[in-house]
Amino acid sequence: DSGVTQTPKHLITATGQRVTLRCSPRSGDLSVYWYQQSLDQGLQFLIQYYNGEERAKGNILERFSAQQFPDLHSELNLSSLELGDSALYFCASSVGGGLETQYFGPGTRLLVL
Amino acid sequence: AQSVTQLDSQVPVFEEAPVELRCNYSSSVSVYLFWYVQYPNQGLQLLLKYLSGSTLVKGINGFEAEFNKSQTSFHLRKPSVHISDTAEYFCAVRIGGQKLVFGQGTRLTINP
Repeated sequence: DSGVTQTPKHLITATGQRVTLRCSPRSGDLSVYWYQQSLDQGLQFLIQYYNGEERAKGNILERFSAQQFPDLHSELNLSSLELGDSALYFCASSVGGGLETQYFGPGTRLLVL
Repeated sequence: AQSVTQLDSQVPVFEEAPVELRCNYSSSVSVYLFWYVQYPNQGLQLLLKYLSGSTLVKGINGFEAEFNKSQTSFHLRKPSVHISDTAEYFCAVRIGGQKLVFGQGTRLTINP
């Protein structure tokens, strides 16, 4: 158990819908990272937040957005969902925003029908 | 742009045999390299990392990796594998202290 929690574990929804994925980092970690794992794209970095502020952006679509709240939990919002958004979404956390180890949550499996 | 190439998508080996999972990276700046393991239906777990210093890095579960700057490689090795090592292994490079760029993964299958 990494100490990072993600909810829900599974999510099934329809195209065009909007969903919110939630992540709680390890106690004391200030950074949260979001990754997408799909069969065709592999594991890709989406976005990083550090202490409430966006720190780095990766291959995140405009339909996707994220935020980190004052209690340091984070939410990833996916809107206008397409079939191709079906994937495993991981959250990771680290103490700071540098070279510290990132600890990964168990992921949320999203299926868009 | 930095990238990571895992040369084998699947590696089958027999139990108690040695294994090497290959990883090459491309980067024009200092790199920080990682190996993560993903067991079935689980998240990623850090096996080992290279930040600086000794080029031979020892990790958990008996794994080790060697950083080779001239060959831009960071291959993962284990002298004797167990059934429990069956998993997907990801090599990654950390860029600018921020995002991780992952390879496509290598599925290690251990046969009895």
